[in-house]
Amino acid sequence: DAKTTQPTSMDCAEGRAANLPCNHSTISGNEYVYWYRQIHSQGPQYIIHGLKNNETNEMASLIITEDRKSSTLILPHATLRDTAVYYCIPRVKETSGSRLTFGEGTQLTVNP
Amino acid sequence: EAQVTQNPRYLITVTGKKLTVTCSQNMNHEYMSWYRQDPGLGLRQIYYSMNVEVTDKGDVPEGYKVSRKEKRNFPLILESPSPNQTSLYFCASSLYRYNTEAFFGQGTRLTVV
Repeated sequence: DAKTTQPTSMDCAEGRAANLPCNHSTISGNEYVYWYRQIHSQGPQYIIHGLKNNETNEMASLIITEDRKSSTLILPHATLRDTAVYYCIPRVKETSGSRLTFGEGTQLTVNP
Repeated sequence: EAQVTQNPRYLITVTGKKLTVTCSQNMNHEYMSWYRQDPGLGLRQIYYSMNVEVTDKGDVPEGYKVSRKEKRNFPLILESPSPNQTSLYFCASSLYRYNTEAFFGQGTRLTVV
Protein backbone atom coordinates (compact mmCIF):
# COMPACT_ATOMS: atom_id res chain seq x y z
CA ASP A 1 0.00 0.00 0.00
CA ALA A 2 1.15 3.53 -0.77
CA LYS A 3 2.44 5.69 2.06
CA THR A 4 0.56 8.87 2.89
CA THR A 5 1.42 12.25 4.35
CA GLN A 6 -1.25 14.31 6.06
CA PRO A 7 -0.99 17.43 8.23
CA THR A 8 -1.03 16.55 11.89
CA SER A 9 -3.74 19.08 12.67
CA MET A 10 -5.97 21.71 11.09
CA ASP A 11 -8.51 24.21 12.30
CA CYS A 12 -11.65 25.40 10.57
CA ALA A 13 -14.38 27.87 11.44
CA GLU A 14 -17.88 26.51 11.75
CA GLY A 15 -19.83 26.95 8.53
CA ARG A 16 -16.74 27.28 6.38
CA ALA A 17 -15.33 24.67 4.06
CA ALA A 18 -12.71 22.35 5.49
CA ASN A 19 -10.09 21.22 2.98
CA LEU A 20 -7.99 18.29 4.16
CA PRO A 21 -5.00 17.41 1.98
CA CYS A 22 -3.30 14.07 1.58
CA ASN A 23 -0.11 13.30 -0.27
CA HIS A 24 0.16 9.78 -1.71
CA SER A 25 2.89 10.18 -4.29
CA THR A 26 3.69 6.44 -4.39
CA ILE A 27 0.15 5.38 -5.14
CA SER A 28 -0.14 2.66 -7.74
CA GLY A 29 -2.54 2.61 -10.65
CA ASN A 30 -5.02 0.21 -9.05
CA GLU A 31 -5.15 1.84 -5.64
CA TYR A 32 -8.22 3.79 -4.68
CA VAL A 33 -8.07 6.61 -2.17
CA TYR A 34 -10.38 6.03 0.79
CA TRP A 35 -11.21 8.52 3.50
CA TYR A 36 -12.40 7.63 6.98
CA ARG A 37 -12.81 9.69 10.08
CA GLN A 38 -12.83 8.91 13.77
CA ILE A 39 -14.65 11.08 16.24
CA HIS A 40 -12.96 10.88 19.61
CA SER A 41 -12.59 7.20 20.55
CA GLN A 42 -15.61 6.16 18.49
CA GLY A 43 -15.39 3.61 15.70
CA PRO A 44 -14.00 4.93 12.40
CA GLN A 45 -16.59 6.03 9.88
CA TYR A 46 -16.33 5.67 6.11
CA ILE A 47 -16.63 8.96 4.24
CA ILE A 48 -15.84 8.55 0.55
CA HIS A 49 -13.46 6.94 -1.91
CA GLY A 50 -12.28 7.48 -5.47
CA LEU A 51 -9.84 6.28 -8.12
CA LYS A 52 -9.15 9.21 -10.42
CA ASN A 53 -12.35 11.13 -10.93
CA ASN A 54 -13.63 13.60 -8.40
CA GLU A 55 -16.36 12.19 -6.21
CA THR A 56 -19.13 13.70 -4.14
CA ASN A 57 -21.61 12.27 -1.70
CA GLU A 58 -23.82 13.61 1.06
CA MET A 59 -20.90 13.91 3.44
CA ALA A 60 -18.03 15.30 1.40
CA SER A 61 -16.27 15.82 -1.90
CA LEU A 62 -13.03 14.20 -2.95
CA ILE A 63 -10.70 15.92 -5.38
CA ILE A 64 -7.89 13.79 -6.81
CA THR A 65 -5.13 15.44 -8.82
CA GLU A 66 -4.64 14.34 -12.38
CA ASP A 67 -1.35 12.61 -11.56
CA ARG A 68 -3.09 10.96 -8.56
CA LYS A 69 -0.24 11.86 -6.25
CA SER A 70 -2.43 13.85 -3.91
CA SER A 71 -6.04 14.38 -2.99
CA THR A 72 -8.18 16.75 -0.96
CA LEU A 73 -11.22 15.92 1.10
CA ILE A 74 -13.66 18.80 1.25
CA LEU A 75 -16.31 19.22 3.92
CA PRO A 76 -18.34 22.05 2.36
CA HIS A 77 -19.92 23.48 5.51
CA ALA A 78 -18.08 22.20 8.54
CA THR A 79 -19.98 21.82 11.80
CA LEU A 80 -18.75 21.20 15.33
CA ARG A 81 -19.68 17.55 14.88
CA ASP A 82 -17.10 17.26 12.12
CA THR A 83 -14.31 17.61 14.68
CA ALA A 84 -12.46 14.32 14.28
CA VAL A 85 -9.30 12.62 13.04
CA TYR A 86 -9.44 12.17 9.27
CA TYR A 87 -7.56 9.31 7.62
CA CYS A 88 -6.55 9.07 4.00
CA ILE A 89 -6.03 5.40 3.02
CA PRO A 90 -4.85 4.25 -0.43
CA ARG A 91 -6.13 0.75 -0.97
CA VAL A 92 -6.36 -1.75 -3.75
CA LYS A 93 -10.06 -2.49 -3.95
CA GLU A 94 -9.83 -5.93 -5.53
CA THR A 95 -7.65 -7.81 -3.13
CA SER A 96 -8.04 -10.36 -0.41
CA GLY A 97 -7.94 -9.42 3.23
CA SER A 98 -9.51 -6.01 3.34
CA ARG A 99 -7.22 -4.71 6.03
CA LEU A 100 -7.36 -0.97 6.39
CA THR A 101 -4.01 0.59 7.20
CA PHE A 102 -4.66 3.67 9.29
CA GLY A 103 -1.85 6.19 9.59
CA GLU A 104 -1.78 9.10 12.01
CA GLY A 105 -4.38 11.14 10.13
CA THR A 106 -5.27 14.81 10.51
CA GLN A 107 -6.96 16.11 13.63
CA LEU A 108 -9.56 18.57 12.35
CA THR A 109 -10.94 20.96 14.94
CA VAL A 110 -14.00 22.97 13.95
CA ASN A 111 -14.28 26.11 16.03
CA PRO A 112 -17.47 28.03 16.81
CA GLU B 1 -30.68 0.28 11.45
CA ALA B 2 -27.47 -1.17 10.00
CA GLN B 3 -24.93 -1.55 12.74
CA VAL B 4 -22.06 -3.40 14.31
CA THR B 5 -22.60 -4.02 18.00
CA GLN B 6 -19.84 -4.76 20.46
CA ASN B 7 -20.19 -5.77 24.07
CA PRO B 8 -19.13 -4.81 26.59
CA ARG B 9 -18.21 -1.17 25.94
CA TYR B 10 -15.96 -1.04 28.99
CA LEU B 11 -14.25 -3.86 30.84
CA ILE B 12 -11.72 -3.99 33.65
CA THR B 13 -10.30 -7.42 34.36
CA VAL B 14 -7.36 -9.09 36.06
CA THR B 15 -4.38 -10.76 34.47
CA GLY B 16 -5.10 -14.31 33.40
CA LYS B 17 -8.87 -14.26 33.63
CA LYS B 18 -10.35 -15.39 30.32
CA LEU B 19 -12.71 -12.99 28.65
CA THR B 20 -14.74 -12.66 25.47
CA VAL B 21 -15.70 -9.51 23.63
CA THR B 22 -18.70 -10.07 21.42
CA CYS B 23 -19.32 -8.53 18.01
CA SER B 24 -22.48 -8.82 15.98
CA GLN B 25 -23.54 -7.25 12.69
CA ASN B 26 -27.00 -7.13 11.12
CA MET B 27 -25.98 -6.40 7.53
CA ASN B 28 -25.29 -9.96 6.34
CA HIS B 29 -21.65 -9.02 5.73
CA GLU B 30 -19.18 -11.75 4.84
CA TYR B 31 -16.05 -9.96 6.01
CA MET B 32 -15.42 -9.18 9.68
CA SER B 33 -12.31 -8.14 11.55
CA TRP B 34 -10.92 -6.97 14.86
CA TYR B 35 -8.60 -4.01 15.43
CA ARG B 36 -6.90 -2.61 18.45
CA GLN B 37 -6.02 1.05 18.85
CA ASP B 38 -3.16 2.28 21.00
CA PRO B 39 -1.73 5.80 21.37
CA GLY B 40 1.06 6.39 18.88
CA LEU B 41 0.46 3.06 17.13
CA GLY B 42 -2.83 3.74 15.42
CA LEU B 43 -5.29 1.00 14.50
CA ARG B 44 -3.84 -2.44 13.93
CA GLN B 45 -5.68 -5.50 12.70
CA ILE B 46 -5.75 -8.50 15.03
CA TYR B 47 -7.76 -11.13 13.15
CA TYR B 48 -10.13 -11.22 10.23
CA SER B 49 -12.71 -13.58 8.80
CA MET B 50 -13.77 -13.79 5.18
CA ASN B 51 -16.78 -15.97 5.91
CA VAL B 52 -18.19 -18.56 8.29
CA GLU B 53 -15.49 -20.92 9.57
CA VAL B 54 -12.78 -18.95 7.71
CA THR B 55 -10.47 -16.88 9.91
CA ASP B 56 -6.91 -15.64 9.57
CA LYS B 57 -4.31 -13.65 11.46
CA GLY B 58 -3.88 -9.94 11.03
CA ASP B 59 -0.87 -7.90 12.11
CA VAL B 60 -1.00 -8.47 15.88
CA PRO B 61 -2.71 -11.84 16.58
CA GLU B 62 -0.60 -12.98 19.56
CA GLY B 63 -2.67 -13.54 22.69
CA TYR B 64 -6.02 -13.53 20.88
CA LYS B 65 -8.41 -16.07 19.44
CA VAL B 66 -11.50 -15.67 17.29
CA SER B 67 -14.27 -17.85 15.95
CA ARG B 68 -16.82 -17.46 13.20
CA LYS B 69 -19.55 -20.04 13.68
CA GLU B 70 -22.30 -17.78 12.39
CA LYS B 71 -22.16 -15.10 9.77
CA ARG B 72 -23.34 -12.33 12.06
CA ASN B 73 -21.07 -12.99 15.05
CA PHE B 74 -17.32 -12.69 15.43
CA PRO B 75 -16.23 -12.87 19.08
CA LEU B 76 -12.73 -11.96 20.24
CA ILE B 77 -11.35 -14.22 22.94
CA LEU B 78 -8.51 -13.44 25.31
CA GLU B 79 -7.62 -16.75 26.95
CA SER B 80 -5.15 -15.26 29.43
CA PRO B 81 -5.22 -11.47 29.27
CA SER B 82 -2.10 -9.52 30.13
CA PRO B 83 -1.62 -5.81 30.87
CA ASN B 84 -0.16 -5.21 27.39
CA GLN B 85 -3.58 -6.07 25.98
CA THR B 86 -5.03 -3.00 27.62
CA SER B 87 -6.37 -1.16 24.61
CA LEU B 88 -9.37 0.13 22.69
CA TYR B 89 -10.82 -2.61 20.49
CA PHE B 90 -12.97 -2.24 17.40
CA CYS B 91 -14.88 -4.78 15.41
CA ALA B 92 -15.58 -4.05 11.74
CA SER B 93 -17.57 -5.64 8.95
CA SER B 94 -17.96 -5.13 5.24
CA LEU B 95 -20.18 -6.53 2.54
CA TYR B 96 -17.60 -8.20 0.35
CA ARG B 97 -14.15 -9.52 0.93
CA TYR B 98 -12.74 -6.89 -1.43
CA ASN B 99 -14.87 -4.04 -0.25
CA THR B 100 -13.23 -1.75 2.24
CA GLU B 101 -16.27 0.40 2.93
CA ALA B 102 -16.19 -0.96 6.42
CA PHE B 103 -18.63 -0.42 9.24
CA PHE B 104 -17.12 -0.22 12.71
CA GLY B 105 -18.55 -0.90 16.12
CA GLN B 106 -18.44 1.67 18.89
CA GLY B 107 -15.45 0.11 20.56
CA THR B 108 -14.59 -1.78 23.74
CA ARG B 109 -12.20 -0.19 26.16
CA LEU B 110 -10.36 -3.00 27.94
CA THR B 111 -8.14 -2.56 30.97
CA VAL B 112 -6.13 -5.51 32.27
CA VAL B 113 -4.65 -5.02 35.73
